[in-house]
Amino acid sequence: GDSVTQMEGPVTLSEEAFLTINCTYTATGYPSLFWYVQYPGEGLQLLLKATKADDKGSNKGFEATYRKETTSFHLEKGSVQVSDSAVYFCALTTIYNQGGKLIFGQGTELSVKP
Amino acid sequence: EPEVTQTPSHQVTQMGQEVILRCVPISNHLYFYWYRQILGQKVEFLVSFYNNEISEKSEIFDDQFSVERPDGSNFTLKIRSTKLEDSAMYFCASSEARGAYGYTFGSGTRLTVV
Repeated sequence: GDSVTQMEGPVTLSEEAFLTINCTYTATGYPSLFWYVQYPGEGLQLLLKATKADDKGSNKGFEATYRKETTSFHLEKGSVQVSDSAVYFCALTTIYNQGGKLIFGQGTELSVKP
Repeated sequence: EPEVTQTPSHQVTQMGQEVILRCVPISNHLYFYWYRQILGQKVEFLVSFYNNEISEKSEIFDDQFSVERPDGSNFTLKIRSTKLEDSAMYFCASSEARGAYGYTFGSGTRLTVV
């Protein structure tokens, strides 16, 4: 079945460091890919998305490129801030999910220290 | 910005009791979802709902669970005879179209079964 695998956390970085959170997927057909962010005590917010191969999603300085050849959608940011501390979830959906459900990875906790 | 509202934010219930988790989706959205997140684990799909019926449900969503849209605004998840393992964060989401292109999540209800 469809699945998403993320790198293990927690990830601890200093402010202004470069961030990469790895995400790989297994899916039937051509999925749409997403990164969601969950700040402490809050719900899930869509951070960025990509709907076809080679698309690059971007938002708030974060980027991720849909790589079909490596079935990956790694999240990157050039310079993290303390306010980026959160849990990040990679997710996918496909047209075969008749109800439009999302399949999530296990989440990666990011802690940014000043 | 429109929000999905969930109430209560935290509910404590005794094992064997019934609970109803409430959600108010965004008013022009047509697709509704429930997800859950057991502490420290991944976010899991429970059910999707469209046109007053269930579109898809997961293996988790057994006879203990039911969903309802009792009026034009609320979307509820009922859990009958709660078990300790039902303790989790439950997220409601809504979208304007099928698929995850425009998912908006609520901030969740933390259910604790004692």
